[in-house]
Amino acid sequence: NAGVTQTPKFQVLKTGQSMTLQCAQDMNHNSMYWYRQDPGMGLRLIYYSASEGTTDKGEVPNGYNVSRLNKREFSLRLESAAPSQTSVYFCASSDGLGTGELFFGEGSRLTVL
Amino acid sequence: TQLLEQSPQFLSIQEGENLTVYCNSSSVFSSLQWYRQEPGEGPVLLVTVVTGGEVKKLKRLTFQFGDARKDSSLHITAAQPGDTGLYLCAGATGGSQGNLIFGKGTKLSVKP
Repeated sequence: NAGVTQTPKFQVLKTGQSMTLQCAQDMNHNSMYWYRQDPGMGLRLIYYSASEGTTDKGEVPNGYNVSRLNKREFSLRLESAAPSQTSVYFCASSDGLGTGELFFGEGSRLTVL
Repeated sequence: TQLLEQSPQFLSIQEGENLTVYCNSSSVFSSLQWYRQEPGEGPVLLVTVVTGGEVKKLKRLTFQFGDARKDSSLHITAAQPGDTGLYLCAGATGGSQGNLIFGKGTKLSVKP
């Protein structure tokens, strides 16, 4: 009963390095999302994909790129990491309909030195 | 910019006490969701309220959506240590989930 799976769970980068966070869901959901969570800031939407083949910017997209590889997978890439991108990143999915529930992964804790 | 203000930000209480968490906005939402997040995990949906004035109960938790659909509250009766966690409200502004706005959360600690 996997739900939403994120990898890696922890990562330490140096400023300027690149990395990709992977996310996969097995619920046949149409929509997928990437959020970041920072102390005192709540959850902020980085990018989302309403359906396979589409991606849209959220509230804080600068410094990130995404790829909706297929219906199951949605990756988040940091091309040149900055200390301001130190955060906990959550992938989520939903059926994309109306008030549909968001199902979240366990999170990926990223530290940029 | 639409904002959801949650209060209080932190709450530390003894087991058996009652508490209320508030989620307020100047914007109207088509629906509002409440999530609970435990340390090291992602948020998990507790309830969705859709109709102004709606009240939903989930065991000891009571959720209310304001008549004008701008605010919501979560009331916990006789809190238990297992209720400890971060409570997040999230308002939907339209059909797309990309328009879901999260509050900053209320961190609840219930001491035995």
